[in-house]
Amino acid sequence: QQQVKQSPQSLIVQKGGISIINCAYENTAFDYFPWYQQFPGKGPALLIAIRPDVSEKKEGRFTISFNKSAKQFSLHIMDSQPGDSATYFCAASFVSGNTPLVFGKGTRLSVIA
Amino acid sequence: GAGVSQSPSNKVTEKGKDVELRCDPISGHTALYWYRQSLGQGLEFLIYFQGNSAPDKSGLPSDRFSAERTGGSVSTLTIQRTQQEDSAVYLCASSLHHGRASPYEQYFGPGTRLTVT
Repeated sequence: QQQVKQSPQSLIVQKGGISIINCAYENTAFDYFPWYQQFPGKGPALLIAIRPDVSEKKEGRFTISFNKSAKQFSLHIMDSQPGDSATYFCAASFVSGNTPLVFGKGTRLSVIA
Repeated sequence: GAGVSQSPSNKVTEKGKDVELRCDPISGHTALYWYRQSLGQGLEFLIYFQGNSAPDKSGLPSDRFSAERTGGSVSTLTIQRTQQEDSAVYLCASSLHHGRASPYEQYFGPGTRLTVT
């Protein structure tokens, strides 16, 4: 059972454009939704995270939109740059106590000039 | 400060051999996680250590997989009688233990790429 579904698998965006990656989750008890960024040969690194008590969180060019009723959340990268080219993973977990993250399968983003 | 380190960075082994993968978490982090990353499959949870509590082994795919954490710090993931389907990148992460209702961040190491021939 895949608890977090991520789409698309790959995405090509022009420099300066908006990259949008979507995730849907099944377990309504999840209350922590991070996005991780991974460059080739490196481990994933936390990019931005959201709790379900807010509908949107913005950090620089990165925004998470959260729709609790639809059990969906998305990552928007504004003014996408070639340096943003990486694989992005959404995840879900529980805030109460350290627990393993449940990851989506990842989106490979390529930003072309 | 130093991040999570893993060794070796690459490991090639023959089918049927045992392998040990090492993880050094960030100093002071009480929680340690092992994940497996296969091509196109995202990150799959394997095992989780929290302080002195019994580890959560619910993600281990078979009894050929085991892990230990000595002294609440370094962890070793052991795969016995390796199979070709074990080929993947094995990632270790650590985090601080926070109280209830506090967010946390998992810090990942660079991973060990295991190839079983």
